[in-house]
Amino acid sequence: NAGVTQTPKFRILKIGQSMTLQCTQDMNHNYMYWYRQDPGMGLKLIYYSVGAGITDKGEVPNGYNVSRSTTEDFPLRLELAAPSQTSVYFCASSLNSNQPQHFGDGTRLSIL
Amino acid sequence: GENVEQHPSTLSVQEGDSAVIKCTYSDSASNYFPWYKQELGKRPQLIIDIRSNVGEKKDQRIAVTLNKTAKHFSLHITETQPEDSAVYFCAASRSGGGADGLTFGKGTHLIIQP
Repeated sequence: NAGVTQTPKFRILKIGQSMTLQCTQDMNHNYMYWYRQDPGMGLKLIYYSVGAGITDKGEVPNGYNVSRSTTEDFPLRLELAAPSQTSVYFCASSLNSNQPQHFGDGTRLSIL
Repeated sequence: GENVEQHPSTLSVQEGDSAVIKCTYSDSASNYFPWYKQELGKRPQLIIDIRSNVGEKKDQRIAVTLNKTAKHFSLHITETQPEDSAVYFCAASRSGGGADGLTFGKGTHLIIQP
């Protein structure tokens, strides 16, 4: 039982490049989330999903897109990378609305 | 939207002493308040949570208290140990388990002095 798995662990992008951050969970959780954590700050919600085919914006969705075609996977897409998107990205999941969220190990992304 | 304030930003205590971290929230509809511990370069890990129908919850050396009227909640760690050194985050949500996401405080760096 791997829990929440994120890939890659580290990535350096050039301004204007695109990439997809992968997140998968093997716990059959319905709810999945993407957060970003800037240095010395708390986590901020980018997007979330309450089930396959359903996604909603969080506090800071601009510059990102998500999809949820399966229960297990919740990829985060950056279309035109900007320096302001340099951050650590965490994916999380929970079984349902009354269960706590559990986090993956994060992806450290630098955009130069 | 919800706003969570957390204090202090840094807390240094002697090993064996107690540590208290405080958070306030703005949305009176929030009803779920988890606390996460994050070691350097690691994922946030849930250490304790409380729901609005409970005023206090305890798990060994860790306790959380909630004052709904004042809209604040606190983390208490007793008999601190070196392994308690980390950054602690409080969070709040309107839905039971944070179904529509959590709003986090900015974190408290807890330093345990030997």
